[in-house]
Amino acid sequence: DVKVTQSSRYLVKRTGEKVFLECVQDMDHENMFWYRQDPGLGLRLIYFSYDVKMKEKGDIPEGYSVSREKKERFSLILESASTNQTSMYLCASSLTVRETQYFGPGTRLLVL
Amino acid sequence: KNQVEQSPQSLIILEGKNCTLQCNYTVSPFSNLRWYKQDTGRGPVSLTIMTFSENTKSNGRYTATLDADTKQSSLHITASQLSDSASYICVVSHTGTASKLTFGTGTRLQVTL
Repeated sequence: DVKVTQSSRYLVKRTGEKVFLECVQDMDHENMFWYRQDPGLGLRLIYFSYDVKMKEKGDIPEGYSVSREKKERFSLILESASTNQTSMYLCASSLTVRETQYFGPGTRLLVL
Repeated sequence: KNQVEQSPQSLIILEGKNCTLQCNYTVSPFSNLRWYKQDTGRGPVSLTIMTFSENTKSNGRYTATLDADTKQSSLHITASQLSDSASYICVVSHTGTASKLTFGTGTRLQVTL
């Protein structure tokens, strides 16, 4: 079974702090994704990566950056957290872009 | 504009009953359509994936249908169980890169005794 793990289930940060969310997958997938999920809006793609050190902006990249130094690990960085970044963050991976994405359990981030 | 609309927003049914969830989309060009189940506080888990040429796909008690002409899909749940209580998300993929996924906002299903 594919396993996608995220470093924290719950996180509380203060406005202006730098926040790191880590995601690790164990199935040698090429593609990894970061989404945020807010009530009534569905999942929205922040960034995705199709290879080590490669990244592409999704629909809402503003205020975020990412890092993929190793194939199995994809990090989401909030350079200066703001209250409007309070959300559920979901990481996913897939073997190819057309195949099913496997999601991690999510990190619920609260920015005060 | 590419959109995926799901109905109803929420649904309550008795255990053992069947139900059908709807998904209408305006995504073009179409690649595939997926249904995910998301338990509260968890990440989504894939139930089915259908391409343009497929009109039905089953996964246990879950059966998805696709009408590519009318751009509609449904997810039918047979003999519901308490564990079916979750959000069900319809996701439509465009041809091209991975970024071209459009997510519906989900149907929240509650199965009660």
